[in-house]
Amino acid sequence: EIVLTQSPATLSLSPGDRATLSCRASQSVRGYLAWYQQKPGQAPRLLLYDSSDRAPGVPARFSGSGSETDFTLTISSLEADDSAVYFCQQRSDWPPYTFGGGTKVEI
Amino acid sequence: EMKLADSGGGLVQPGGSLRLSCAASGFIFSDSAMNWVRQTPEKGLEWVSTISDNGHSSYYADSVKGRFTVSRDNSKNTLFLQMDSLRAEDTALYYCAKDYEDLGYFDLWGRGILVTVSS
Repeated sequence: EIVLTQSPATLSLSPGDRATLSCRASQSVRGYLAWYQQKPGQAPRLLLYDSSDRAPGVPARFSGSGSETDFTLTISSLEADDSAVYFCQQRSDWPPYTFGGGTKVEI
Repeated sequence: EMKLADSGGGLVQPGGSLRLSCAASGFIFSDSAMNWVRQTPEKGLEWVSTISDNGHSSYYADSVKGRFTVSRDNSKNTLFLQMDSLRAEDTALYYCAKDYEDLGYFDLWGRGILVTVSS
């Protein structure tokens, strides 16, 4: 099973700042990694898939990069509405699909 | 509007059974693989099961294999999860989730169903 490790656990930033979130895989997932945003009391929302492709309706300030074992989610200019927990998920080697433990972004 | 409406959770004793349902609307249900994902504060998000678009193939996490059964009724646009021999560690918020473009990512989620296994 591929283990995804996210860092940092919590990120405290101000509106307009740039956020950089990391997801590291225990073995290569090639480019098959997604990022989700989850706000309190809501289900996760797909933001990015295949490392860097934005899901429909996702603002351009969300971008992703990386391959193999190291991936990054960047939020270029934080807005108050971006306060949430962000999860990564791999689909390279399944079953099982696996998720990271999450990074909480506080603004 | 695409929507998943999940239902069927509740409190059950260890060893008991529950059946979760997920009614889909706003997209061609029979074209999409479907999934169940659960979440707890301790373990985070955990994939539980996937069923293919036609229902002929299904996959399970090791933690539920042999106890849970996923199924679907494409004529009624509904996904099911039959959970038997429930354990305390199955306590979680269960989400149904639609597969995005058959890529193995989840682009539409239900609101979540709370399942509590406790005596």
